[in-house]
Amino acid sequence: QVQLVESGGGVVQPGRSLRLPCAASGFTFSRHAMNWVRQAPGKGLEWVAIISHDGSNEYYADSVKGRFTISRDNSQNTLYLQMNSLRHEDTAVYFCARGLHQLLLYQPLDYWGQGTLVTVSS
Amino acid sequence: DIQMTQSPSSLSASVGDRVTITCRASQTINNYLNWYQQKPGKAPKLLIYAASSLQSGVPSRFSGSGSGTDFTLTISSLQPEDFATYYCQQSYSSLFTFGPGTKVDVK
Repeated sequence: QVQLVESGGGVVQPGRSLRLPCAASGFTFSRHAMNWVRQAPGKGLEWVAIISHDGSNEYYADSVKGRFTISRDNSQNTLYLQMNSLRHEDTAVYFCARGLHQLLLYQPLDYWGQGTLVTVSS
Repeated sequence: DIQMTQSPSSLSASVGDRVTITCRASQTINNYLNWYQQKPGKAPKLLIYAASSLQSGVPSRFSGSGSGTDFTLTISSLQPEDFATYYCQQSYSSLFTFGPGTKVDVK
């Protein structure tokens, strides 16, 4: 069955960096676009970034553009989110999520990981 | 960026009630509108995609309609497991956006 497992969360100081991996299994990872979505404590969902199935296209929310980088290693079935220059307002649970249809970019998100909490605090 | 709004922000309902949630986009998104259900401490779950297509495994009491800028999620007969927060999301542009959510709780 499809599984997405995020890791790498924790407490980090403002201005520092963190990388979140998302390990995928149970499907052909290299054929699906992948996304990161976050949720601040007690708040709604905020889409963060998307990467195409082959890594050739990436898009970012304005709130993270220039600071965060989404990437993927299709040989390792792993999605990444590199977060630099972290701010207090980046504190959230970070979910990875799969695009529904193979090979297409702008897709609904049909499978989600359980999320990993990132807390930015001094 | 495309902004999404939802109404109401919360509602109280009873088991068996018909529940309707609306979502509006700041510009036309054709039918690139998706609905998710989220329960506390859990990941969101895709219910409806492309405005009206029921995701596999989702009960038929959930339905979606609309196109352009105005969309609706309907739960025909609310069940105990349906108390949750519901989000709409547009996948029309390269910058996805979610609505602020509608919390459905027990009357």
